[in-house]
Amino acid sequence: GEDVEQSLFLSVREGDSSVINCTYTDSSSTYLYWYKQEPGAGLQLLTYIFSNMDMKQDQRLTVLLNKKDKHLSLRIADTQTGDSAIYFCAEDTGTASKLTFGTGTRLQVTL
Amino acid sequence: GAVVSQHPSWVICKSGTSVKIECRSLDFQATTMFWYRQFPKQSLMLMATSNEGSKATYEQGVEKDKFLINHASLTLSTLTVTSAHPEDSSFYICSATGTASTDTQYFGPGTRLTVL
Repeated sequence: GEDVEQSLFLSVREGDSSVINCTYTDSSSTYLYWYKQEPGAGLQLLTYIFSNMDMKQDQRLTVLLNKKDKHLSLRIADTQTGDSAIYFCAEDTGTASKLTFGTGTRLQVTL
Repeated sequence: GAVVSQHPSWVICKSGTSVKIECRSLDFQATTMFWYRQFPKQSLMLMATSNEGSKATYEQGVEKDKFLINHASLTLSTLTVTSAHPEDSSFYICSATGTASTDTQYFGPGTRLTVL
């Protein structure tokens, strides 16, 4: 099966930048996504990147894509306490919009 | 736009009973809805994909007779957990995509099921 790997945990200080990494496996993915999940809630789509792009910036969020290494990252600038959550990357499988989710990274923002 | 709701948000039931969870797209027509389950501190596991008016496609290892899915309209899909057991306790999340081929998935807030 396909495994999308993420590091389990990341702790940063408020105001610093956070970088969450993801390694995916399906080189035919068209889109790659970043979702945020707060405790006891569903998933919120943060941003996505088309597979022929290297970078996408959306306000405090910057997504970098290295297709050769199948590596995706999400950088959050000026991290705030409200950014504390679990972040999932996801790749589409090209089949009926199905997504494969990463293992999730818990981001903890400290004062 | 693109709001998906789930009802109930949480439910506690006795072992052996059946529980129905609803997933609604509030402001768009959802041609495809997905059902996921999520165990504590784990990722989402896709259970099944349902298209309006047709039978759901279940992922390998998911019992179709235990997890009944009905996608009767373009705005509503239901998941019924039949004869629930404590091991079915989990967080169930639905998502929906619209009619455009480029539509992404929009997720509901989830339903926490606890089976006693």
